[in-house]
Amino acid sequence: DQQVKQNSPSLSVQEGRISILNCDYTNSMFDYFLWYKKYPAEGPTFLISISSIKDKNEDGRFTVFLNKSAKHLSLHIVPSQPGDSAVYFCAASAWEGSQGNLIFGKGTKLSVKP
Amino acid sequence: KAGVTQTPRYLIKTRGQQVTLSCSPISGHRSVSWYQQTPGQGLQFLFEYFSETQRNKGNFPGRFSGRQFSNSRSEMNVSTLELGDSALYLCASSLGPSGMYNEQFFGPGTRLTVL
Repeated sequence: DQQVKQNSPSLSVQEGRISILNCDYTNSMFDYFLWYKKYPAEGPTFLISISSIKDKNEDGRFTVFLNKSAKHLSLHIVPSQPGDSAVYFCAASAWEGSQGNLIFGKGTKLSVKP
Repeated sequence: KAGVTQTPRYLIKTRGQQVTLSCSPISGHRSVSWYQQTPGQGLQFLFEYFSETQRNKGNFPGRFSGRQFSNSRSEMNVSTLELGDSALYLCASSLGPSGMYNEQFFGPGTRLTVL
């Protein structure tokens, strides 16, 4: 059972417009969320994160929104650039006692067209 | 500053064998995490080490183990290899005590093929 779901395998956006990547989760005990992007043949690169006690975090063109009641997370990229074309993963931290686990969604492939 | 390095980059093994993968974190980083990436399951967390102690662990069988040395370098071992262990194994390091809450820097990965 997937605890972190990225229901859109792909997304295509025009350069300069907004990209919105979505992530849903089922475990209300997740306390931290992170977004990573991955280019082909490279390891993932950290983008932005948010604590469960916040509902928004912004870093330059990237903003993450957290809606705890809906168990929904979204990443906004404004304006989108062709270099943003990559696979985006959301991840959530979960704890069982003192042991932590980081659970990833399966990714959304973003294509930004010039 | 050099990034995270992983050796070897490619490896072919047969079922039943065991394998050891190595990871050198960014200088000064003391937290090292390991991940398995497959087309079917995506990116899955294996375990995390900080100051030579395993701090966090994902849902993998005991065949997957790891360790961290005093210089923060880490190794991951998989015993009794199965075909399903074929994957890209990624290592990541972070400056903070845990990649659960801090930016992690990933290496290029080791591509393991089990025949």
